[in-house]
Amino acid sequence: AQSVAQPEDQVNVAEGNPLTVKCTYSVSGNPYLFWYVQYPNRGLQFLLKYITGDNLVKGSYGFEAEFNKSQTSFHLKKPSALVSDSALYFCAVRGNSGNTPLVFGKGTRLSVIA
Amino acid sequence: KAGVTQTPRYLIKTRGQQVTLSCSPISGHRSVSWYQQTPGQGLQFLFEYFSETQRNKGNFPGRFSGRQFSNSRSEMNVSTLELGDSALYLCASSSSDRYQETQYFGPGTRLLVL
Repeated sequence: AQSVAQPEDQVNVAEGNPLTVKCTYSVSGNPYLFWYVQYPNRGLQFLLKYITGDNLVKGSYGFEAEFNKSQTSFHLKKPSALVSDSALYFCAVRGNSGNTPLVFGKGTRLSVIA
Repeated sequence: KAGVTQTPRYLIKTRGQQVTLSCSPISGHRSVSWYQQTPGQGLQFLFEYFSETQRNKGNFPGRFSGRQFSNSRSEMNVSTLELGDSALYLCASSSSDRYQETQYFGPGTRLLVL
């Protein structure tokens, strides 16, 4: 069965510092990996995805993520955090074999402090 | 291009009633998925439709049903509402049924069951 783990419920970081939001996954076959962000009372906004190729994926708003197959991880990163980055972040995975849906992690709440 | 729209945005019902939620995908998108979001359970997959066919169904009771129309618009119905059905219901669309396609989310319908 597919699964996603986001081990941290909450991440706090000072504005201007680098941030990392962790994600590990388990799938059958090769993974398709996604990061989404959710602001209060809003739907999910797509940030970036990994399908194949370069392990470092660049996305919206200066975010990037690194795919690590041996560690089955897809951590989200940003070199310099902004207060406006404070939101709920979701990692999601879908395997390329079997008829399985997109599966989301529980989410990590990022708080950037000025 | 207009995004995913969901109606209504807010809904208050009482136990035992039924409710129908509507989702209009991005123009040209033929795949629609539904998710239930609650603070305790996070994002849980409900259904996935492509070209009017249900491709996947999540682990929800039969009170939850859905359908997709020929214009790709989708509805989901919950009968005999329970207090635990209170949640944010999110709809997402993608351009095809390929697993690597990005799902784009609507703002959600917030359902409160009293």
